[in-house]
Amino acid sequence: DGGITQSPKYLFRKEGQNVTLSCEQNLNHDAMYWYRQDPGQGLRLIYYSQIVNDFQKGDIAEGYSVSREKKESFPLTVTSAQKNPTAFYLCASSTPRTGGGSIYGYTFGSGTRLTVV
Amino acid sequence: GENVEQHPSTLSVQEGDSAVIKCTYSDSASNYFPWYKQELGKRPQLIIDIRSNVGEKKDQRIAVTLNKTAKHFSLHITETQPEDSAVYFCAATLTGANSKLTFGKGITLSVRP
Repeated sequence: DGGITQSPKYLFRKEGQNVTLSCEQNLNHDAMYWYRQDPGQGLRLIYYSQIVNDFQKGDIAEGYSVSREKKESFPLTVTSAQKNPTAFYLCASSTPRTGGGSIYGYTFGSGTRLTVV
Repeated sequence: GENVEQHPSTLSVQEGDSAVIKCTYSDSASNYFPWYKQELGKRPQLIIDIRSNVGEKKDQRIAVTLNKTAKHFSLHITETQPEDSAVYFCAATLTGANSKLTFGKGITLSVRP
């Protein structure tokens, strides 16, 4: 879908379980991002990665982990330490650019809805 | 870090009227301001953006204005249609090697037929 694919679309997690959300892009974008969306809270940044084998914490990284072993892939693991994981998770990618003129915006995946059961 | 605020959280307009959505940002160094539209159950999609060296940008029925002094930027939608009903997010960042978008909380626009 639009060059960036998230799977699964729906995911159910039991208490105490770790789950991994997949994000793959074929846009040859350098940067990838994970956001969490809750009603009335907008999009909050969890982790982001500008290059392979490097990533930085966002505003709400606690209880989450990521890896960036390949340019195309940026999986997010929701660990048991995340006490309120029920949310809609969005992955995005972009090519960081300096200077003016070009569109800089993100391309988003279609999201994964995670529910704790 | 950057902080982006959107007010109000909901806006309802009559079809054919104009809608204006305003955002404020805190970091005067930010130089890129995109707007995203998210329809129910779908991914956010970029609809228009503006850089800090430009005061206004227009694309058909939508336009964005930027006031750097006051640190606010606005989305203007003219001749609204029911398909404009969605959640609209503004965002801001300083472009560069380590940049990341900071989003507002979103505003739900309802266009009444």
